[in-house]
Amino acid sequence: SQQGEEDPQALSIQEGENATMNCSYKTSINNLQWYRQNSGRGLVHLILIRSNEREKHSGRLRVTLDTSKKSSSLLITASRAADTASYFCATDTSGTYKYIFGTGTRLKVLA
Amino acid sequence: EAGVVQSPRYKIIEKKQPVAFWCNPISGHNTLYWYLQNLGQGPELLIRYENEEAVDDSQLPKDRFSAERLKGVDSTLKIQPAELGDSAVYLCASSLVFAKDTGELFFGEGSRLTVL
Repeated sequence: SQQGEEDPQALSIQEGENATMNCSYKTSINNLQWYRQNSGRGLVHLILIRSNEREKHSGRLRVTLDTSKKSSSLLITASRAADTASYFCATDTSGTYKYIFGTGTRLKVLA
Repeated sequence: EAGVVQSPRYKIIEKKQPVAFWCNPISGHNTLYWYLQNLGQGPELLIRYENEEAVDDSQLPKDRFSAERLKGVDSTLKIQPAELGDSAVYLCASSLVFAKDTGELFFGEGSRLTVL
């Protein structure tokens, strides 16, 4: 079962532009994480935001969390061709340490 | 430091045959996950271990799937017999759960299964 739904399902942008993808989830969470997956590879952790945090930055990444709306957004600034990948949100429902992944956003950055 | 190691990377079998996947997590990680990922979809949790105990296997189809984590380190996931619908990528991940807090999951490269 999927806890999160990413939006959009696919996104195509030019190099240098910003990419924004959204994640909505269904139940209360302890934290939310974002992962990247290059084609044919495993997932790589990008950033974690806890339920009591509203915004977090890491390099060119900015994540926001709105627990009242049960949603999060991932912003990648000044995108590069190497950012081309699928991006997934994963939620840790309260107290279970059970990470449930969303459906993913496929990002394509054109050089 | 070595990452999560999975083998085999690719496996092609006939339906009704058995298959097994192996995972070696990052040293010291007490929690191990097996996920299934269909093409174009997000990973779906099959089973989660804390040390050697399976603490969540509600999504594991127990009629044909089995898993074990001996001595709380390496883990194997077995399918017997395999069906056409089992074709997918099987991902292993590990994490360090400490003091009721969780950190990031570290994933292996996955084992891609094709059932003919």
